[in-house]
Amino acid sequence: GAVVSQHPSRVICKSGTSVKIECRSLDFQATTMFWYRQFPKQSLMLMATSNEGSKATYEQGVEKDKFLINHASLTLSTLTVTSAHPEDSSFYICSARPAGAWGDTQYFGPGTRLTVL
Amino acid sequence: GQQLNQSPQSMFIQEGEDVSMNCTSSSIFNTWLWYKQDPGEGPVLLIALYKAGELTSNGRLTAQFGITRKDSFLNISASIPSDVGIYFCAGSPNSGGSNYKLTFGKGTLLTVNP
Repeated sequence: GAVVSQHPSRVICKSGTSVKIECRSLDFQATTMFWYRQFPKQSLMLMATSNEGSKATYEQGVEKDKFLINHASLTLSTLTVTSAHPEDSSFYICSARPAGAWGDTQYFGPGTRLTVL
Repeated sequence: GQQLNQSPQSMFIQEGEDVSMNCTSSSIFNTWLWYKQDPGEGPVLLIALYKAGELTSNGRLTAQFGITRKDSFLNISASIPSDVGIYFCAGSPNSGGSNYKLTFGKGTLLTVNP
Protein backbone atom coordinates (compact mmCIF):
# COMPACT_ATOMS: atom_id res chain seq x y z
CA GLY A 1 0.00 0.00 0.00
CA ALA A 2 0.82 3.73 0.02
CA VAL A 3 2.05 3.92 -3.57
CA VAL A 4 2.74 7.27 -5.20
CA SER A 5 3.39 7.62 -8.92
CA GLN A 6 4.87 10.46 -10.92
CA HIS A 7 4.66 11.19 -14.61
CA PRO A 8 6.76 11.68 -16.59
CA SER A 9 9.84 10.07 -15.09
CA ARG A 10 12.10 12.04 -17.42
CA VAL A 11 11.51 15.09 -19.54
CA ILE A 12 13.77 17.15 -21.76
CA CYS A 13 12.48 20.49 -22.97
CA LYS A 14 13.66 23.63 -24.67
CA SER A 15 14.25 26.81 -22.74
CA GLY A 16 11.11 28.91 -22.50
CA THR A 17 8.64 26.06 -22.62
CA SER A 18 6.43 24.87 -19.78
CA VAL A 19 6.47 21.40 -18.31
CA LYS A 20 3.77 19.71 -16.25
CA ILE A 21 4.55 16.95 -13.76
CA GLU A 22 1.79 14.80 -12.28
CA CYS A 23 1.80 13.19 -8.86
CA ARG A 24 -0.80 10.56 -8.02
CA SER A 25 -1.54 8.60 -4.89
CA LEU A 26 -2.61 5.23 -6.28
CA ASP A 27 -4.13 3.42 -3.33
CA PHE A 28 -4.96 6.13 -0.82
CA GLN A 29 -6.40 9.60 -0.63
CA ALA A 30 -4.07 12.47 0.16
CA THR A 31 -5.37 15.77 1.41
CA THR A 32 -1.80 17.02 1.52
CA MET A 33 0.91 16.56 -1.08
CA PHE A 34 4.38 18.03 -1.14
CA TRP A 35 6.76 19.01 -3.91
CA TYR A 36 10.51 18.76 -3.41
CA ARG A 37 13.53 19.56 -5.48
CA GLN A 38 16.78 17.67 -5.13
CA PHE A 39 20.18 18.64 -6.48
CA PRO A 40 22.89 16.02 -7.00
CA LYS A 41 24.30 14.61 -3.78
CA GLN A 42 22.08 16.83 -1.68
CA SER A 43 19.08 16.35 0.51
CA LEU A 44 15.50 17.13 -0.42
CA MET A 45 14.45 20.76 -0.51
CA LEU A 46 10.76 21.42 0.10
CA MET A 47 9.28 23.73 -2.51
CA ALA A 48 5.63 23.83 -1.55
CA THR A 49 2.83 22.16 0.35
CA SER A 50 -0.27 21.40 -1.66
CA ASN A 51 -3.65 21.00 0.00
CA GLU A 52 -6.60 19.62 -1.92
CA GLY A 53 -9.00 22.32 -2.95
CA SER A 54 -6.90 25.25 -1.76
CA LYS A 55 -3.90 27.26 -2.80
CA ALA A 56 -0.48 25.81 -2.28
CA THR A 57 1.84 27.15 0.40
CA TYR A 58 5.25 27.95 -1.01
CA GLU A 59 8.52 27.93 0.87
CA GLN A 60 10.55 31.08 1.11
CA GLY A 61 12.45 31.77 -2.08
CA VAL A 62 10.25 29.62 -4.32
CA GLU A 63 8.45 31.62 -7.00
CA LYS A 64 4.78 30.70 -7.05
CA ASP A 65 4.31 32.11 -10.55
CA LYS A 66 7.20 30.01 -11.77
CA PHE A 67 6.14 26.77 -10.15
CA LEU A 68 2.37 26.43 -10.47
CA ILE A 69 0.77 23.82 -8.27
CA ASN A 70 -2.72 22.43 -8.61
CA HIS A 71 -4.24 19.89 -6.24
CA ALA A 72 -7.62 19.34 -7.80
CA SER A 73 -8.48 15.98 -6.27
CA LEU A 74 -7.56 13.81 -3.32
CA THR A 75 -5.31 11.69 -5.52
CA LEU A 76 -3.71 14.13 -7.92
CA SER A 77 -1.41 17.12 -7.65
CA THR A 78 0.40 18.75 -10.56
CA LEU A 79 3.48 20.93 -10.72
CA THR A 80 3.96 23.10 -13.79
CA VAL A 81 7.35 24.65 -14.36
CA THR A 82 6.56 27.69 -16.47
CA SER A 83 8.99 29.23 -18.95
CA ALA A 84 11.64 26.75 -17.94
CA HIS A 85 15.31 27.69 -18.06
CA PRO A 86 18.45 25.58 -17.72
CA GLU A 87 18.77 26.48 -14.04
CA ASP A 88 15.41 24.75 -13.46
CA SER A 89 16.98 21.44 -14.45
CA SER A 90 16.72 19.21 -11.43
CA PHE A 91 15.15 16.13 -9.88
CA TYR A 92 11.61 16.91 -8.75
CA ILE A 93 9.98 14.58 -6.25
CA CYS A 94 6.47 14.64 -4.86
CA SER A 95 5.17 13.05 -1.70
CA ALA A 96 1.74 12.45 -0.25
CA ARG A 97 0.41 12.25 3.27
CA PRO A 98 -2.52 9.84 3.64
CA ALA A 99 -5.73 11.51 4.75
CA GLY A 100 -6.50 10.76 8.37
CA ALA A 101 -3.10 9.18 8.96
CA TRP A 102 -1.46 9.36 12.35
CA GLY A 103 1.73 11.38 12.44
CA ASP A 104 3.38 13.13 9.55
CA THR A 105 4.50 10.20 7.43
CA GLN A 106 4.95 11.02 3.76
CA TYR A 107 5.21 8.56 0.90
CA PHE A 108 7.32 9.61 -2.04
CA GLY A 109 6.94 9.24 -5.77
CA PRO A 110 9.80 7.97 -7.93
CA GLY A 111 10.79 11.46 -9.05
CA THR A 112 10.94 13.33 -12.36
CA ARG A 113 14.24 14.26 -13.95
CA LEU A 114 13.83 17.59 -15.75
CA THR A 115 16.47 18.74 -18.21
CA VAL A 116 16.07 22.15 -19.81
CA LEU A 117 18.22 22.76 -22.87
CA GLY B 1 13.90 26.63 11.94
CA GLN B 2 14.58 23.06 12.92
CA GLN B 3 17.89 21.53 11.98
CA LEU B 4 18.77 17.87 11.72
CA ASN B 5 22.34 16.66 12.05
CA GLN B 6 22.78 13.26 10.46
CA SER B 7 25.95 11.25 10.85
CA PRO B 8 28.03 9.83 9.47
CA GLN B 9 27.94 11.46 6.05
CA SER B 10 29.24 8.28 4.43
CA MET B 11 30.20 4.75 5.37
CA PHE B 12 32.22 2.08 3.59
CA ILE B 13 31.69 -1.37 5.04
CA GLN B 14 32.16 -5.02 4.20
CA GLU B 15 29.24 -7.25 3.44
CA GLY B 16 27.99 -8.87 6.63
CA GLU B 17 28.92 -6.01 8.92
CA ASP B 18 26.43 -4.10 11.02
CA VAL B 19 25.78 -0.40 10.40
CA SER B 20 24.60 2.38 12.64
CA MET B 21 23.66 5.94 11.77
CA ASN B 22 21.91 8.63 13.77
CA CYS B 23 20.20 11.97 13.66
CA THR B 24 19.94 14.68 16.26
CA SER B 25 17.68 17.70 16.20
CA SER B 26 17.89 21.12 17.76
CA SER B 27 14.30 20.86 18.94
CA ILE B 28 11.78 18.25 20.00
CA PHE B 29 10.25 16.10 17.28
CA ASN B 30 7.09 14.02 17.53
CA THR B 31 7.66 11.98 14.40
CA TRP B 32 10.88 10.37 13.21
CA LEU B 33 11.12 8.71 9.83
CA TRP B 34 13.89 6.83 8.06
CA TYR B 35 14.04 6.64 4.27
CA LYS B 36 16.35 4.99 1.75
CA GLN B 37 16.98 6.52 -1.66
CA ASP B 38 18.52 4.68 -4.59
CA PRO B 39 20.11 6.67 -7.45
CA GLY B 40 17.50 8.26 -9.67
CA GLU B 41 14.62 7.16 -7.47
CA GLY B 42 12.43 8.70 -4.83
CA PRO B 43 12.96 7.96 -1.13
CA VAL B 44 11.34 4.81 0.18
CA LEU B 45 10.02 4.73 3.73
CA LEU B 46 11.84 2.19 5.90
CA ILE B 47 10.60 2.84 9.41
CA ALA B 48 8.24 5.35 11.03
CA LEU B 49 8.45 6.22 14.74
CA TYR B 50 5.79 8.15 16.61
CA LYS B 51 6.53 7.66 20.31
CA ALA B 52 9.50 8.55 22.49
CA GLY B 53 11.46 5.44 23.37
CA GLU B 54 9.84 3.43 20.60
CA LEU B 55 12.03 0.72 19.09
CA THR B 56 10.81 -0.65 15.77
CA SER B 57 12.23 -3.29 13.44
CA ASN B 58 11.74 -3.94 9.76
CA GLY B 59 13.64 -7.07 8.80
CA ARG B 60 17.34 -6.37 9.36
CA LEU B 61 16.62 -2.74 10.13
CA THR B 62 15.98 -1.38 13.62
CA ALA B 63 15.27 2.23 14.52
CA GLN B 64 14.64 3.99 17.80
CA PHE B 65 12.95 7.22 18.78
CA GLY B 66 15.12 8.79 21.46
CA ILE B 67 13.74 9.40 24.93
CA THR B 68 14.66 13.08 24.73
CA ARG B 69 12.67 13.36 21.45
CA LYS B 70 15.70 15.01 19.91
CA ASP B 71 17.39 12.02 18.35
CA SER B 72 16.91 8.78 16.50
CA PHE B 73 19.16 6.02 15.23
CA LEU B 74 18.94 3.41 12.51
CA ASN B 75 20.80 0.11 12.65
CA ILE B 76 21.26 -2.30 9.77
CA SER B 77 22.42 -5.76 10.72
CA ALA B 78 24.34 -8.19 8.50
CA SER B 79 24.58 -5.77 5.58
CA ILE B 80 24.21 -7.00 2.00
CA PRO B 81 25.18 -5.34 -1.30
CA SER B 82 21.61 -4.16 -1.98
CA ASP B 83 21.75 -2.05 1.18
CA VAL B 84 23.82 0.43 -0.83
CA GLY B 85 22.15 3.81 -1.10
CA ILE B 86 21.54 7.06 0.71
CA TYR B 87 19.69 6.90 4.01
CA PHE B 88 17.80 9.97 5.17
CA CYS B 89 16.30 10.71 8.53
CA ALA B 90 13.34 13.04 8.67
CA GLY B 91 11.34 14.46 11.49
CA SER B 92 8.45 16.66 12.33
CA PRO B 93 7.65 18.62 15.48
CA ASN B 94 3.95 18.26 14.78
CA SER B 95 1.57 15.48 15.73
CA GLY B 96 -0.64 15.74 12.70
CA GLY B 97 -0.32 19.50 12.92
CA SER B 98 -1.37 22.16 10.52
CA ASN B 99 1.31 21.82 7.90
CA TYR B 100 2.89 18.39 8.40
CA LYS B 101 6.24 19.54 7.02
CA LEU B 102 9.24 17.31 7.44
CA THR B 103 12.80 18.35 8.13
CA PHE B 104 15.39 16.13 6.45
CA GLY B 105 18.89 15.21 7.42
CA LYS B 106 21.61 15.52 4.80
CA GLY B 107 21.82 11.79 4.33
CA THR B 108 24.25 8.96 4.94
CA LEU B 109 25.79 7.37 1.86
CA LEU B 110 26.30 3.67 2.48
CA THR B 111 28.65 1.59 0.38
CA VAL B 112 28.83 -2.15 0.93
CA ASN B 113 31.79 -4.04 -0.44
CA PRO B 114 30.97 -7.65 -1.38
